[in-house]
Amino acid sequence: AQTVTQSQPEMSVQEAETVTLSCTYDTSESDYYLFWYKQPPSRQMILVIRQEAYKQQNATENRFSVNFQKAAKSFSLKISDSQLGDAAMYFCAYRAGANSKLTFGKGITLSVRP
Amino acid sequence: DTAVSQTPKYLVTQMGNDKSIKCEQNLGHDTMYWYKQDSKKFLKIMFSYNNKELIINETVPNRFSPKSPDKAHLNLHINSLELGDSAVYFCASSHDRRGGETQYFGPGTRLLVL
Repeated sequence: AQTVTQSQPEMSVQEAETVTLSCTYDTSESDYYLFWYKQPPSRQMILVIRQEAYKQQNATENRFSVNFQKAAKSFSLKISDSQLGDAAMYFCAYRAGANSKLTFGKGITLSVRP
Repeated sequence: DTAVSQTPKYLVTQMGNDKSIKCEQNLGHDTMYWYKQDSKKFLKIMFSYNNKELIINETVPNRFSPKSPDKAHLNLHINSLELGDSAVYFCASSHDRRGGETQYFGPGTRLLVL
């Protein structure tokens, strides 16, 4: 069974600094997809970034980028120039092919210090 | 324009009651999902429908019954509510059932069973 592990329950970052949130996963599949979702206090789940396992290039979305290490089964999220609005819970998620379920990690709470 | 909407946003009810949560998406997506987020913020898939066909049915008590009258709607009916059903329930949709498709989440319904 696929599992997603986020071992850090909380992290804190100074505004304008960079922070990295870690995530590891376990799978026997060779083709799959990885996601980072953000859940602010409003509780709305918002997609931050996604990565296809067959792509070697790390995905980037503005201030958000990932470090995808397929052999190590690691998928970390880097947030550059942190802003107060980045404060939220961040969930790493994994999904294999069609009809498969999206499996979430336990999440990490990120706080941003002004 | 709300992409994925849920009603109600809050639901407080007594043990043993029956309740329904409604979900509608106006994105023209084929696939819809129900997730449960427990008190520890852990998110888990419950059901998924593709064009009104059930494609994912996790280990969920029979008291939970999803219904999809058309591909834009996926409702969740819960019979004989128990204290442990208290959680936030999220509806989501994606363009289709493929693994890489982004899932768009509704605002969630907070259910409290007394």
